[in-house]
Amino acid sequence: ETGVTQTPRHLVMGMTNKKSLKCEQHLGHNAMYWYKQSAKKPLELMFVYNFKEQTENNSVPSRFSPECPNSSHLFLHLHTLQPEDSALYLCASSQDHWRDYQETQYFGPGTRLLVL
Amino acid sequence: SQELEQSPQSLIVQEGKNLTINCTSSKTLYGLYWYKQKYGEGLIFLMMLQKGGEEKSHEKITAKLDEKKQQSSLHITASQPSHAGIYLCGADASGNTGKLIFGQGTTLQVKP
Repeated sequence: ETGVTQTPRHLVMGMTNKKSLKCEQHLGHNAMYWYKQSAKKPLELMFVYNFKEQTENNSVPSRFSPECPNSSHLFLHLHTLQPEDSALYLCASSQDHWRDYQETQYFGPGTRLLVL
Repeated sequence: SQELEQSPQSLIVQEGKNLTINCTSSKTLYGLYWYKQKYGEGLIFLMMLQKGGEEKSHEKITAKLDEKKQQSSLHITASQPSHAGIYLCGADASGNTGKLIFGQGTTLQVKP
């Protein structure tokens, strides 16, 4: 496979469920990102990992728990979510973000999450 | 905090017509990205601009970053149905941090 892949592509869960989103990048990158895209709101950065270390948590509620076991994989663990958490969750990767120039982020296809 | 404002929010054009989408920042842009998104899918990278006055083209799409680095435009020449989608501009909020902020998107429909 090439590029950035995400599974599952669609997920429906109840507010008491626990589920995980998976992202895998095949680009040899060192930085990975989680974004949230809600209806009628701009795409929002959630978390940033660089060389497996979390470098950014954009005030995300603790019911979202990221995990980055290696530079190729990124997970988002979900528990006790609210209906307003329903959104498209996008993963992205870039070479890294500690350089003195811009690094392009490449996005996966996203996971469409519905919380009932 | 920095914000990106895109205009127009939506656009319907006849196939073959030219169109322009604008992205305006409240602060100086360190890098400006243009992405395209099909509804409910991931973002496809189009191009990145970093230098004031820079202009890049790919097939029939041209993007420019103004000299003051606070506005960018995306121009499509002779639009085709395949150009339809949501165009998003994104920028690094504080330099080379990897923390991108995005505009709200411009939805383009191309009528055959």
